[in-house]
Amino acid sequence: EPEVTQTPSHQVTQMGQEVILRCVPISNHLYFYWYRQILGQKVEFLVSFYNNEISEKSEIFDDQFSVERPDGSNFTLKIRSTKLEDSAMYFCASSDGTNYFDSPLHFGNGTRLTVT
Amino acid sequence: DQQVKQNSPSLSVQEGRISILNCDYTNSMFDYFLWYKKYPAEGPTFLISISSIKDKNEDGRFTVFLNKSAKHLSLHIVPSQPGDSAVYFCAASLTGTASKLTFGTGTRLQVTL
Repeated sequence: EPEVTQTPSHQVTQMGQEVILRCVPISNHLYFYWYRQILGQKVEFLVSFYNNEISEKSEIFDDQFSVERPDGSNFTLKIRSTKLEDSAMYFCASSDGTNYFDSPLHFGNGTRLTVT
Repeated sequence: DQQVKQNSPSLSVQEGRISILNCDYTNSMFDYFLWYKKYPAEGPTFLISISSIKDKNEDGRFTVFLNKSAKHLSLHIVPSQPGDSAVYFCAASLTGTASKLTFGTGTRLQVTL
């Protein structure tokens, strides 16, 4: 079964550094997402991306965050200047449509980001 | 933000018995509900969903019930198996915002032998 793959599985960075989290969505999917889960808290929506542009973003997704689909297969999340509170598990997801009944989100296994 | 709540952080059930996981929501605009299962070190895996126009959806051992008047949904697993041991998340989406899921905090299910 096709799957969403994320690299790296664990990223440790110092506060103020830039990080790029990488994702390869399922190949025929058109919609891409980033979610995050701070330890002990809920999985939270960050951003959705379709047709090479952001379709929706949450209040968490401020100017420090950006997303990009640099080629036909990768989907990246960049955090420009990391803060301690950015430490979380970041999940990439993809779907082939906006109708949840037929196309639920498929999640990757996540990247654990630790900011020291 | 407590729009989707799972009040039981954990549940232990014997193998072969029914597992019932509960979820409450406060936003009456939610029109689609999903359950995801999550194993350690893995991402959430889609399990089953239900539209707000239905009150029940069944898929094999898994059944989701929706009570709109009570703003409550539940996931029934019958019979429970040890491989069902995982964290279960309830999620909901709003009309017109199909890209954004609001998740509950999860319930850890332990199926014992």
